[in-house]
Amino acid sequence: NAGVTQTPKFQVLKTGQSMTLQCAQDMNHNSMYWYRQDPGMGLRLIYYSASEGTTDKGEVPNGYNVSRLNKREFSLRLESAAPSQTSVYFCASSEGGNNQPQHFGDGTRLSIL
Amino acid sequence: QKEVEQNSGPLSVPEGAIASLNCTYSDRVSQSFFWYRQYSGKSPELIMSIYSNGDKEDGRFTAQLNKASQYVSLLIRDSQPSDSATYLCAPWRRNSWGKLQFGAGTQVVVTP
Repeated sequence: NAGVTQTPKFQVLKTGQSMTLQCAQDMNHNSMYWYRQDPGMGLRLIYYSASEGTTDKGEVPNGYNVSRLNKREFSLRLESAAPSQTSVYFCASSEGGNNQPQHFGDGTRLSIL
Repeated sequence: QKEVEQNSGPLSVPEGAIASLNCTYSDRVSQSFFWYRQYSGKSPELIMSIYSNGDKEDGRFTAQLNKASQYVSLLIRDSQPSDSATYLCAPWRRNSWGKLQFGAGTQVVVTP
């Protein structure tokens, strides 16, 4: 009954380091999403993948890249981490069809010093 | 104007009372609405969905939708301390590839 699994759960980076956040879902969902959540800002969409083989930018894509590795996995990469990227990152998935909600992973808490 | 507006709160509610949360949205093509609950330090959890005008009840939760007024609400009856959380409103619209535009959320604090 895993749902959406994110790794790691916590990470501390130094400015300029790179890192990949991993996300996998076992619900056979077509669509996957990456969000960041900052205090008072709500959830902001970074990138999404409507279906396997496609990715597209969301509201705040700068400084990030993504890979939809297969139907199950969607990774988020920070090439050169900056303190402004300190945040909680959530991965979500949905069937992608009409009126379908998103289901979230537990999140990754990322601090960049 | 933000696409989805919610009062940030905190909304303080005595235990056993009704908590009333409101959400307004600017996009007239929004067709469905989801309410998520997020406990502090946890991820959002889907608690209600509503697709058509009117009321939908699920246990102690009632969602109300008025598309003409671009307004959706969530009522929590017999509020419990375990209902203390932030509640996020998220409209869904066709041709959005499943993307949701989340409100910033309303914090609810249920006091014993």
